[in-house]
Amino acid sequence: AIQLTQSPPSLSASVGDRVTISCRASQGVSSALAWYQQKPGKAPKLLIYEASSLESGVPPRFSGSGSGTDFTLTISSLQPEDFATYYCQQFTNYPFTFGPGTRVDV
Amino acid sequence: QVHLVQSGAEVKKPGASVKVSCEASGYTFTSFGITWVRQAPGQGLEWMGWISGHNGDTTYAQKFQDRVTMTTDTSTRTMNMELRSLRSDDTAVYYCARCSGGDCYGRYLQHWGQGTPVTGSS
Repeated sequence: AIQLTQSPPSLSASVGDRVTISCRASQGVSSALAWYQQKPGKAPKLLIYEASSLESGVPPRFSGSGSGTDFTLTISSLQPEDFATYYCQQFTNYPFTFGPGTRVDV
Repeated sequence: QVHLVQSGAEVKKPGASVKVSCEASGYTFTSFGITWVRQAPGQGLEWMGWISGHNGDTTYAQKFQDRVTMTTDTSTRTMNMELRSLRSDDTAVYYCARCSGGDCYGRYLQHWGQGTPVTGSS
């Protein structure tokens, strides 16, 4: 199974900060990677698909980049509603594994 | 607007089975597959498998292969996930999520249900 590693596991940030989260795959996944945001007690929400495509309705301060084994989620200017946990997921090989998550808090 | 509404919380004894349902609305049911994902308390997300909305074909994670069955009922627009021989470590919130295409291979998860808590307790 493909292992996804996210770094950092958690980070503290302030409103207005630029935040970068890394996702590294144990083998290449081309661009078959998505990013999700999850708030406590809620279902995950799709942010980015195919590594860099912004899901409809998601604010443009979110962006994704990368291909192969190294991917990045960037929040250009952190807003109060962005404090959450972020997960990457690969769609190349079964099982379609998720990363362990990165918690973003104040 | 796409909606996935899941069945309510369940408490089950070890060794029992649980069936979680996911009723879909707002889109052509047979055009999209459904993936099941679970999340143990305080833990990350775990992919369990998917079922085609078109023909009911399934792909399960090897970890669950012997204990899970996913089914679809086109007449009620409902997808079901049954997990058998429950253990304490099956305690989790179970989510259904609609894939971005007819089958879920290579597809991201575009819409999610609200989650169904399943607790294994003796």
